[in-house]
Amino acid sequence: GAGVSQSPRYKVAKRGQDVALRCDPISGHVSLFWYQQALGQGPEFLTYFQNEAQLDKSGLPSDRFFAERPEGSVSTLKIQRTQQEDSAVYLCASSRGTGLFGYTFGSGTRLTVV
Amino acid sequence: DQQVKQNSPSLSVQEGRISILNCDYTNSMFDYFLWYKKYPAEGPTFLISISSIKDKNEDGRFTVFLNKSAKHLSLHIVPSQPGDSAVYFCAASKRGGADGLTFGKGTHLIIQP
Repeated sequence: GAGVSQSPRYKVAKRGQDVALRCDPISGHVSLFWYQQALGQGPEFLTYFQNEAQLDKSGLPSDRFFAERPEGSVSTLKIQRTQQEDSAVYLCASSRGTGLFGYTFGSGTRLTVV
Repeated sequence: DQQVKQNSPSLSVQEGRISILNCDYTNSMFDYFLWYKKYPAEGPTFLISISSIKDKNEDGRFTVFLNKSAKHLSLHIVPSQPGDSAVYFCAASKRGGADGLTFGKGTHLIIQP
């Protein structure tokens, strides 16, 4: 597609519920990144994929967070047993190669845990 | 421990004047710096970047200055226009971005008519 597409745009989850957030990167983009942006903060790095390989997951805040990109295209960020502190905007970005060239963000998914 | 700091949460500038947004960093391994602009309910949009081997990069109304010894960069917008009202994020990367970007908390720029 023309841009990075994320769905859903908004998600309200009850505490303890599992959620899955989807990212469709720009077609052909090799690298894919997930970020978490809490209210009033800048985006914080969660994890990085190069094609289907998850090369860095050092930013995932707990083992309740899991990301996958099985075919090297669409990625899903899954959060199990959501907690209130998980409420944030989750941003996905993709880039053409392994660096910053063509680095483009999606509009994000706003997750609210009640 | 904030490695990228934007100490001004907000900045108000009159239309037509110069807007100067500041950013400081602590990690000397950062080798590439970027500025992003963000409107509400949208993702950050790339504005301008600078490599650590340069001290200035210009693109139209936007200029970024880098002072490596002070670990400080600034974004100049001149002249400021109403459409420039947005949140501006400073971001830094190392290893060509393979580790992801490290962002500041952002500065909300308000352009007043």
